[in-house]
Amino acid sequence: DPKIIQKPKYLVAVTGSEKILICEQYLGHNAMYWYRQSAKKPLEFMFSYSYQKLMDNQTASSRFQPQSSKKNHLDLQITALKPDDSATYFCASSQPTVSGNTLYFGEGSRLIVV
Amino acid sequence: QQKVQQSPESLTVSEGAMASLNCTFSDGTSNNFRWYRQHSAKGLEVLVSIFSDGEKEEGRFTAHLNRANLHVSLHIREPQPSDSAVYLCAVSPSNTNKVVFGTGTRLQVLP
Repeated sequence: DPKIIQKPKYLVAVTGSEKILICEQYLGHNAMYWYRQSAKKPLEFMFSYSYQKLMDNQTASSRFQPQSSKKNHLDLQITALKPDDSATYFCASSQPTVSGNTLYFGEGSRLIVV
Repeated sequence: QQKVQQSPESLTVSEGAMASLNCTFSDGTSNNFRWYRQHSAKGLEVLVSIFSDGEKEEGRFTAHLNRANLHVSLHIREPQPSDSAVYLCAVSPSNTNKVVFGTGTRLQVLP
């Protein structure tokens, strides 16, 4: 059974609309992340949360807003969608320790903006 | 800001031949290095983690780290067609939880 659940798996949205990508993890981790993967670009860090608090934000646009209603949830709200937002969005979680920070990923939500 | 580059961009090997992938990073203070694999349109799975200079083996996957040369490599012993995927190098700076990924190497293993 998948330990990190992302919904929806596929999504087509109209330019200017708003969508929410859902992520739930059942690994008992304290840290959660969002990454974006666009065509021919590296996997790009967006946000990291620890104990439901924002730790790091590398996304330039305020149109991307993470929301953490529970410790094991980190949703991503995207407003005023643009075609350039088309990408696969990956949620990840980890339990950082002194020896390292291994991320575990969901299967992604593929977003196409038309 | 940490830069992580991988080479080659793509690699084709025959089943059973050793596959070697390279990764260079810019921040020499980084202390956490991992190799991930991503099968087409799927999530990532971690293959091997390495934290100090030298070698770390996990099954058929061996990572070599040389921090002085800002280089970490992955060697896949006896690759199989099911190993065909994109391989990603991941580097963590020493003072944050942020993980930076490389550009990826697309590996194809021919039967």
